Amino acid sequence: AQKVTQAQTEISVVEKEDVTLDCVYETRDTTYYLFWYKQPPSGELVFLIRRNSFDEQNEISGRYSWNFQKSTSSFNFTITASQVVDSAVYFCALSIFGGSQGNLIFGKGTKLSVKP
Amino acid sequence: GAGVSQSPSNKVTEKGKDVELRCDPISGHTALYWYRQSLGQGLEFLIYFQGNSAPDKSGLPSDRFSAERTGGSVSTLTIQRTQQEDSAVYLCASSPEQGPTYEQYFGPGTRLTVT
Repeated sequence: AQKVTQAQTEISVVEKEDVTLDCVYETRDTTYYLFWYKQPPSGELVFLIRRNSFDEQNEISGRYSWNFQKSTSSFNFTITASQVVDSAVYFCALSIFGGSQGNLIFGKGTKLSVKP
Repeated sequence: GAGVSQSPSNKVTEKGKDVELRCDPISGHTALYWYRQSLGQGLEFLIYFQGNSAPDKSGLPSDRFSAERTGGSVSTLTIQRTQQEDSAVYLCASSPEQGPTYEQYFGPGTRLTVT
């Protein structure tokens, strides 16, 4: 069975601090995709990144970076120099081929609060 | 361009009534997904469509839930004889094709409250 665990339920930081959101996944499939979505207070899920299981290169996009490590089944997300606008719930998700192809298996989410 | 839209944005209904939730996917997207977000269960997958076909309905919580898609576009999720545990935000997403290689674009959701 597939599972995504986001152990951090809530994180609170002060603006300009760096923060890392943890994501651990479980799957027996060798081909899979990992995603991060952001859900701001407005409620709409916003796609941030997709990574396939064969690409372990870290990725950086502005203040956002992602660290994918198959050895530990982790796909962690770091925000550098956090800003108040980063306050949201962040979801990590897993998707595999087969079954309901493409459906996202979500973690419970991490609520990030960035205080000024 | 236009994103995924859902209607209504909010729905309050009495226990036992039927409700219909609508999703308009991004034009040209062949795959459409329904999810439910509730406090206790987080984000759960319900059903997906490739075109008008729903190959796997096993994610639907009970036989009170059904969904259809017509013309490869609009989808309706119907909940019959609503129960209080059906209260949740129902999210629709679409993607260009089915499968995990495509990101899903989410609508704003329908908040359903069953009183």
